[in-house]
Amino acid sequence: EAQVTQNPRYLITVTGKKLTVTCSQNMNHEYMSWYRQDPGLGLRQIYYSMNVEVTDKGDVPEGYKVSRKEKRNFPLILESPSPNQTSLYFCASSLSIRYEQYFGPGTRLTVT
Amino acid sequence: SQQGEEDPQALSIQEGENATMNCSYKTSINNLQWYRQNSGRGLVHLILIRSNEREKHSGRLRVTLDTSKKSSSLLITASRAADTASYFCARHRGNDMRFGAGTRLTVKP
Repeated sequence: EAQVTQNPRYLITVTGKKLTVTCSQNMNHEYMSWYRQDPGLGLRQIYYSMNVEVTDKGDVPEGYKVSRKEKRNFPLILESPSPNQTSLYFCASSLSIRYEQYFGPGTRLTVT
Repeated sequence: SQQGEEDPQALSIQEGENATMNCSYKTSINNLQWYRQNSGRGLVHLILIRSNEREKHSGRLRVTLDTSKKSSSLLITASRAADTASYFCARHRGNDMRFGAGTRLTVKP
């Protein structure tokens, strides 16, 4: 089944404790992206990747890192999480930026 | 900043009625996409319309694009309770995607 998976689905952590949210797709998509969703703000793009080893900042990259060492994986790294990073995070992938995106189920992160 | 703004923010209709949602944007686009999100879940792609297209249909969905007005609309005909969800437009420009804040549609049975 074609899908985008994210792990974990739910995470409660404390300020400053490094964490990684994994994202994997099995559709051989080139384009992958991370978004955060906050009430009233819709989805805001954090980082995106056009292909392996090619990443770029989106609208709200501060406090986040990404890497794209393999085509299927695009992990989101929070080196030192802060409470303002409490949010619902989505990973998405598409054949290329010109095509529709497939979204993962989301990761709800709470930073206390 | 968000580049797709949906209007209205919330819409409540009776089953069987049509629902129209609008999206405005500020810069030129390559394409514009509409997505649906059921409460707290991942977004599901509905329709993609390219900048050189004016109208697209998919089942009960009709999307129009007016690049001169920098606006798009999503029409859902003969709505059903299962259409209750949030609807987002997303504009593709260059290498990134920008989403609006969404329209929350409630269809009452």
